[in-house]
Amino acid sequence: NAGVTQTPKFQVLKTGQSMTLQCAQDMNHNSMYWYRQDPGMGLRLIYYSASEGTTDKGEVPNGYNVSRLNKREFSLRLESAAPSQTSVYFCASSWQGGVGGLRSGELFFGEGSRLTVL
Amino acid sequence: QQPVQSPQAVILREGEDAVINCSSSKALYSVHWYRQKHGEAPVFLMILLKGGEQKGHEKISASFNEKKQQSSLYLTASQLSYSGTYFCGTEVRGYSGGGADGLTFGKGTHLIIQP
Repeated sequence: NAGVTQTPKFQVLKTGQSMTLQCAQDMNHNSMYWYRQDPGMGLRLIYYSASEGTTDKGEVPNGYNVSRLNKREFSLRLESAAPSQTSVYFCASSWQGGVGGLRSGELFFGEGSRLTVL
Repeated sequence: QQPVQSPQAVILREGEDAVINCSSSKALYSVHWYRQKHGEAPVFLMILLKGGEQKGHEKISASFNEKKQQSSLYLTASQLSYSGTYFCGTEVRGYSGGGADGLTFGKGTHLIIQP
């Protein structure tokens, strides 16, 4: 089973360049997320999509845009990359609203995308 | 606002026990625990939903004190494979709509198990 697939795994950009990180999940999850991970900072939520057709800002949305293309795919775009966006980016998915009113199901993470902005 | 994890780092000998704490200033609906190995993605360990409820995963268990907005992860008789960084992720009480609004993670606790 593929689970959550992210591409690319590595990318080097110059300041001002744009790029899109792709994420796809094959678990029929309704919710998807983009996190960034920096040393000593843990995982910080950039954007999330509670269900197909909806997206919302997380803790650190500035400089990013997202698209929930369909139920499977959730992309993250950097319009004008800055050195402060150098980070490891993780896409995750989960099933929400299950048995017993469970709001947050287990998050399944992709392998991560390491982005360097020079 | 990120939950606060303590300690920041722990070094243990194989077979020793460890406790990792997670506290929030907000009323919590749930707490998740994840473990991340170096260079890998975080992996789910468990979810705790109710006050005082304790979940277990082999020799790893956790508790959630809803009144104090605190959770603790207990690792007993630690094994070399337990090494990694542990994160708690919190979900805030009060959300009344449908769907998810994401977890807020702590900065992590680095656990090193030595033979």
